[in-house]
Amino acid sequence: AQTVTQSQPEMSVQEAETVTLSCTYDTSENNYYLFWYKQPPSRQMILVIRQEAYKQQNATENRFSVNFQKAAKSFSLKISDSQLGDTAMYFCAFMNGETSGSRLTFGEGTQLTVNP
Amino acid sequence: NAGVTQTPKFRILKIGQSMTLQCTQDMNHNYMYWYRQDPGMGLKLIYYSVGAGITDKGEVPNGYNVSRSTTEDFPLRLELAAPSQTSVYFCASSYETGEGLNQPQHFGDGTRLSIL
Repeated sequence: AQTVTQSQPEMSVQEAETVTLSCTYDTSENNYYLFWYKQPPSRQMILVIRQEAYKQQNATENRFSVNFQKAAKSFSLKISDSQLGDTAMYFCAFMNGETSGSRLTFGEGTQLTVNP
Repeated sequence: NAGVTQTPKFRILKIGQSMTLQCTQDMNHNYMYWYRQDPGMGLKLIYYSVGAGITDKGEVPNGYNVSRSTTEDFPLRLELAAPSQTSVYFCASSYETGEGLNQPQHFGDGTRLSIL
């Protein structure tokens, strides 16, 4: 079974600064996908960024980028120019690409607070 | 385009009561999922479905039942509510071609369920 670990329960950052959220995972599979989801106080689950394991290039989406280290099984999220609206719970998630069902395994989350 | 719609948004049940959480999607997605999120935790998969008439257990299926009679609907039923089922429940859907390119899941806004 796959596991996802987020070792930072809470983090804070000043507006306009950069912050990095950590995520490690454990799997024996070679074909998989990794995701970061954002959950603001409204409780919605919003996809922030995704990474295919077969791609060496790190994914980027505007101010959000990842550092994907496949050998180390590490998948960190960097948020640049942090904004107040980035305040949310962030979840790292794993999806096995070999099985049907596309089930997600989530980490326990990191609560990020952006301070003015 | 409504996406994934969950009803109700909030519900309080007494121990031993039963209820059905409704989930419908209008994106013609073939895969649908039910997750639960306990306070301060990540989401855990309860059940999933890869198409109408097909369902399978996830990580925490005990105490729940599902059915998938149509592509659009995936209701979750609690037969004998227990305090341990107090949680926020999320329904999600995705479209899979079966060719290995897994698509991100779209989530509903969640149902907050309290059992007293």
